[in-house]
Amino acid sequence: DAGVTQSPTHLIKTRGQQVTLRCSPKSGHDTVSWYQQALGQGPQFIFQYYEEEERQRGNFPDRFSGHQFPNYSSELNVNALLLGDSALYLCASSLSGTMVNTEAFFGQGTRLTVV
Amino acid sequence: QKEVEQDPGPLSVPEGAIVSLNCTYSNSAFQYFMWYRQYSRKGPELLMYTYSSGNKEDGRFTAQVDKSSKYISLFIRDSQPSDSATYLCAMSWRDDKIIFGKGTRLHILP
Repeated sequence: DAGVTQSPTHLIKTRGQQVTLRCSPKSGHDTVSWYQQALGQGPQFIFQYYEEEERQRGNFPDRFSGHQFPNYSSELNVNALLLGDSALYLCASSLSGTMVNTEAFFGQGTRLTVV
Repeated sequence: QKEVEQDPGPLSVPEGAIVSLNCTYSNSAFQYFMWYRQYSRKGPELLMYTYSSGNKEDGRFTAQVDKSSKYISLFIRDSQPSDSATYLCAMSWRDDKIIFGKGTRLHILP
């Protein structure tokens, strides 16, 4: 079982650019959540996708958007990048109907640096 | 007041010591309480979770939740150098988003 896989592992972008991060959930999981972890901080919830719909959203601007595909994989898009968007972006997958968050598995993350 | 407060450390203890990690929280609606371990440049790994109040033990790890005090703890017995990592407390309400603490950096000295 490959677990949660994220790509790319590292990324450097320039202010104002757009970026797309990708996540493949653990086999059998249908729910994907995205988190942003700034250096020295805990992860912060961005949004959660289930059945290709955004189910809930954290306190992030509309520059952050996402998508879930029929195979449950997901993308996180960030437009008009700011220096403050530099962080580790984590994807977590889980199975709906279970204790979703207590059985969430995290990927290794994508480290985004905005210069 | 932040929803979850956690001392960032670093906390350095000698090998074999008992480690105590703690968090406080403000939202009494939280029902699920979790501890994650995160090694450098890795994603968080779920160590333990507890539903509502009480204790839970798993090997060298014990998690405690005191909802009346809004206080949770993780104890590590017989600490090993391989336990050196950042420990994140986290909590949620049903299938709601997870709220994390800042994480405590732990160093176990050989």
